Amino acid sequence: DVKVTQSSRYLVKRTGEKVFLECVQDMDHENMFWYRQDPGLGLRLIYFSYDVKMKEKGDIPEGYSVSREKKERFSLILESASTNQTSMYLCASSSQGGRSYNQPQHFGDGTRLSIL
Amino acid sequence: GDSVTQMEGPVTLSEEAFLTINCTYTATGYPSLFWYVQYPGEGLQLLLKATKADDKGSNKGFEATYRKETTSFHLEKGSVQVSDSAVYFCALRSNFGNEKLTFGTGTRLTIIP
Repeated sequence: DVKVTQSSRYLVKRTGEKVFLECVQDMDHENMFWYRQDPGLGLRLIYFSYDVKMKEKGDIPEGYSVSREKKERFSLILESASTNQTSMYLCASSSQGGRSYNQPQHFGDGTRLSIL
Repeated sequence: GDSVTQMEGPVTLSEEAFLTINCTYTATGYPSLFWYVQYPGEGLQLLLKATKADDKGSNKGFEATYRKETTSFHLEKGSVQVSDSAVYFCALRSNFGNEKLTFGTGTRLTIIP
């Protein structure tokens, strides 16, 4: 079974802090994703990566950056946290094998981040 | 661009009722379609998928048929249980080499005994 592990379930930080959210997957997947989930808005893609050291902006990258130094690990960084970044953050991974558009994304349990 | 529209919730049903959650999409080409489920306090899990027109995805008693003529992928279950209470997301992925999923806003389902 695919396992996507997010380092924290709940996190409370202060405005202006630099915040790191970590995600690790154990299935050797090439693709990794960061989403935020907000009521009434569904999931919105922040960044994704299809290879080590590669990254692409999603739909809402402003205020975030990412790092992928190893294939299994994808980090989301809030450079200077603000209250409007209070949200649920979900990490996902998927394989590029075969017809990759058929491959589902596998999700972690999420990190509920509160910025005070 | 691609988009997914789901029926707005919340939806409340009695146990053993018939469930339909509507999903329609806008996309170029021939996208793959997915339903994900999110149980309380958890991440999303893939429920079922369909990759071409007229395909039917099914899992745990849930079904959805890829209807290209109506650009729809409605989720159905004949007899719901309390344990089906969750948030359901419809999603699509383009077949133009883009790895991104486009999600609907989610439908919260509550089943009462």
